Amino acid sequence: DAMVIQNPRYQVTQFGKPVTLSCSQTLNHNVMYWYQQKSSQAPKLLFHYYDKDFNNEADTPDNFQSRRPNTSFCFLDIRSPGLGDAAMYLCATSRDRGSRYNEQFFGPGTRLTVL
Amino acid sequence: DAKTTQPPSMDCAEGRAANLPCNHSTISGNEYVYWYRQIHSQGPQYIIHGLKNNETNEMASLIITEDRKSSTLILPHATLRDTAVYYCIVRTLNRDDKIIFGKGTRLHILP
Repeated sequence: DAMVIQNPRYQVTQFGKPVTLSCSQTLNHNVMYWYQQKSSQAPKLLFHYYDKDFNNEADTPDNFQSRRPNTSFCFLDIRSPGLGDAAMYLCATSRDRGSRYNEQFFGPGTRLTVL
Repeated sequence: DAKTTQPPSMDCAEGRAANLPCNHSTISGNEYVYWYRQIHSQGPQYIIHGLKNNETNEMASLIITEDRKSSTLILPHATLRDTAVYYCIVRTLNRDDKIIFGKGTRLHILP
């Protein structure tokens, strides 16, 4: 089945130690999104790629970066994780933006713990 | 900021219809109403969306008032697996569109 895959499902890192979360999709969608969801809160958009075009949200900290080497893969890099970055990180895709094909499909998420 | 208001939580008996309300009094003419749900420890899942007409699919029905200032998501025969947080979201279909999640409604299905 076509899907959005996130690895690993659980990631533990140390304070200040860089960490990378990965997302892959078999849907061949143009758009890939990264959301942060802290405990008991709603998901918050960090940034998205439309094809190779990177779109950062204004309030996303510089500590968060992203790479999309090809259509299928997108990575979230946290350069120096702090305790406040512990959260569920959700990847999502959509076929397009600005059209009726903008329904988003979410992966299962990666839960990040910072020690 | 989210443009919608939802009750923080609701209970529904298993097998009954679950009716989840949403207020979006400032909705614009080109904005759609979308519903997603998030089951515990999973990513959000798309349910349904509509502009002004009522919509139905295999998961749910969406009833939008004539003035479009509110809507109701209906799960016709709720099961325990429908226990989740339900998000009502207002979106355009322009190129700058993005999902802004509000706090949602935590729906508890009671056995």
